[in-house]
Amino acid sequence: NAGVMQNPRHLVRRRGQEARLRCSPMKGHSHVYWYRQLPEEGLKFMVYLQKENIIDESGMPKERFSAEFPKEGPSILRIQQVVRGDSAAYFCASSPGTAPGNTIYFGEGSWLTVV
Amino acid sequence: KQEVTQIPAALSVPEGENLVLNCSFTDSAIYNLQWFRQDPGKGLTSLLLIQSSQREQTSGRLNASLDKSSGRSTLYIAASQPGDSATFLCAVKRYSGAGSYQLTFGKGTKLSVIP
Repeated sequence: NAGVMQNPRHLVRRRGQEARLRCSPMKGHSHVYWYRQLPEEGLKFMVYLQKENIIDESGMPKERFSAEFPKEGPSILRIQQVVRGDSAAYFCASSPGTAPGNTIYFGEGSWLTVV
Repeated sequence: KQEVTQIPAALSVPEGENLVLNCSFTDSAIYNLQWFRQDPGKGLTSLLLIQSSQREQTSGRLNASLDKSSGRSTLYIAASQPGDSATFLCAVKRYSGAGSYQLTFGKGTKLSVIP
């Protein structure tokens, strides 16, 4: 059973370009979370999705950021018109459900550098 | 708003020592608490999960305790090894409304075990 798979692992974008980060959850997991880790800061919640639904996007910046988890295929975190402040590690996590005993498993992260 | 604090921010110990990492949280209405390990440039590896109704969990040389009423958790590492060198993160899961559950992370304790 493969873990949470993220790609690309490293991404370099020029200011103003778009960044697309992909996440395939663990097999059997229908709950996906995106977190951002800025240098010298803790991980911050961005968005929580279930298949075809955004459940909670309270941590997502209102502009330029969007996320989806289609019926088929990976979850996508999309950042439009990137700026230097978007440089961070973006982590995807998945779980089989929301019960208290359900562990949340994280991927290896996608490191975005905006130049 | 839930806040999670980890003390100390960094810790250096000689190989073989037992050590304790601390985590405190401000809102005791948590669903569960998870301890993770993060190696530089890598993702998060789940170590232990304690449900809100539990007091402790053990895995190998690791023991985590939870005192929900006082908002504290500790991670005890026995007989530390150089391979334990990493950043240890504490995260509490809470229900944030509308069917959403969020993890709130501390900034971590960076552990160095000296051979």
